[in-house]
Amino acid sequence: GAGVSQTPSNKVTEKGKYVELRCDPISGHTALYWYRQSLGQGPEFLIYFQGTGAADDSGLPNDRFFAVRPEGSVSTLKIQRTERGDSAVYLCARWTGLETQYFGPGTRLLVL
Amino acid sequence: AQSVTQLGSHVSVSEGALVLLRCNYSSSVPPYLFWYVQYPNQGLQLLLKYTSAATLVKGINGFEAEFKKSETSFHLTKPSAHMSDAAEYFCAVSGTGTYKYIFGTGTRLKVLA
Repeated sequence: GAGVSQTPSNKVTEKGKYVELRCDPISGHTALYWYRQSLGQGPEFLIYFQGTGAADDSGLPNDRFFAVRPEGSVSTLKIQRTERGDSAVYLCARWTGLETQYFGPGTRLLVL
Repeated sequence: AQSVTQLGSHVSVSEGALVLLRCNYSSSVPPYLFWYVQYPNQGLQLLLKYTSAATLVKGINGFEAEFKKSETSFHLTKPSAHMSDAAEYFCAVSGTGTYKYIFGTGTRLKVLA
C-alpha cells in the first residue's frame, strides 16, 4: 500500500460534537500532510507537518480545526463543535522527500 | 500562486479508444505536476509525475503525460482504454517550499463496453 493508515475509516457524529481523526505513516518520513475532500471536489490542503511542528497551517478553515503530531510520527486532526459543512473525506499523506506524496485511504466524516 | 484547471468533469470513452484527460496549470515557479487516480471509496494513487526532467512522462497502467510549458498543460493520455480505467482522475501542482499540492476538481472517466 501507500504506507499510511487512517482511523477510523468512517465516522458519523452529530452537529456540535468533537471528533479526532488519526493518521499513522510508516516510520522514517518526517513530513506529513492533511487534506480535505468535499463531495465532487478535489482535495484541499489543510496543514503540513515537518517533524513535530506544523510548518504550514494556512489551509485550516477556522479555529475549530487543530492538528498535532507530538512525536513526529502519528498525527491527529481534531475538529471541535462539528458542523454539517465539515462532512468530507479527510486524507493524510506522507512525503518521501522526492516531491511525491503518498495518500492513505481517508476517513469519511459525516456530521448529522 | 498556483492553480489547476481540469477541463471536463466527466469523460466517456469506448473500450479500446484513446483516453485524453486535460489539465492546465498556473504557477509562478517551476512546477512539479502529478496525476493521481481515485477508485470508489479509496485513497489517491499516484499515476505519474513531472519533476523537470523528461517532458514526456510514463506512468503506471499504460498512462503517460506530456509537460508543455508554452501551453501550461500536462494532459494525461492512454492509447487504449480498459474497463478497469474507470475512476476519477486528479491533476495536481506543487512547488518548492512546503510542497503542498493544489488539486484540480477532478475528471470522472467512464469506459463504455
